[in-house]
Amino acid sequence: QSALTQPASVSGSPGQSITISCTGTSSDVGSYNLVSWYQQHPGKAPKLMIYEVSQRPSGVSNRFSGSKSGNTASLTISGLQADDEADYYCSSYEGSSTVVFGGGTKLTVL
Amino acid sequence: QVQLQQSGPGLVKPSQTLSLTCVISGDSVSSNSAAWNWIRQSPSRGLEWLGRTYYRSKWYNDYAVSVKSRITINPDTSKNQFSLQLNSVTPEDTAMYYCARDRGIVATIGMDVWGQGTTVTVSS
Repeated sequence: QSALTQPASVSGSPGQSITISCTGTSSDVGSYNLVSWYQQHPGKAPKLMIYEVSQRPSGVSNRFSGSKSGNTASLTISGLQADDEADYYCSSYEGSSTVVFGGGTKLTVL
Repeated sequence: QVQLQQSGPGLVKPSQTLSLTCVISGDSVSSNSAAWNWIRQSPSRGLEWLGRTYYRSKWYNDYAVSVKSRITINPDTSKNQFSLQLNSVTPEDTAMYYCARDRGIVATIGMDVWGQGTTVTVSS
């Protein structure tokens, strides 16, 4: 049950697009379309932004999109806004009925 | 809308048992289309999924390998809540603990509702 690999930080200017990667293995990300992404602002609980690789929950902006290729999933945020500055975490279902999270990525809006 | 309200002590002594409760409103712990999870977060370990309980004609539990020998998650249908017990705690168990709902029927698809979090410190 090793953590998924995310870049420690990414940054972008308002209006730009950024992509955060999430690399796992053939036992988790590569085997299941069950990757989800969470946004966490300081002092708050995580918020679900993407589930099942590319599905958006009701109320989440369509500026957020998800995809997957092989063992790597990606979260793309387009039209970057100041309020997007937060920590982002990916997670994946594993075959042993367990869940693994990524180490998190700090997004800075310049 | 669905809400989760956590309660429990914020300070636990080493070797003792950490106990937290998550009260559900707007959904049922016995729902056939939800699973009820515990997750913790610390600076050293990041987000760590601990386990879940769910009902699919009977009760099931899944636990993370890292805590499997020490953890119990129990549903309480009479109070529409579920609980976390973590035995033999050490300072490494110091973290923010969250409860959360997942709507996956079989596997976890994404946790869409979270509790407010409880900071637990393990210290004598």
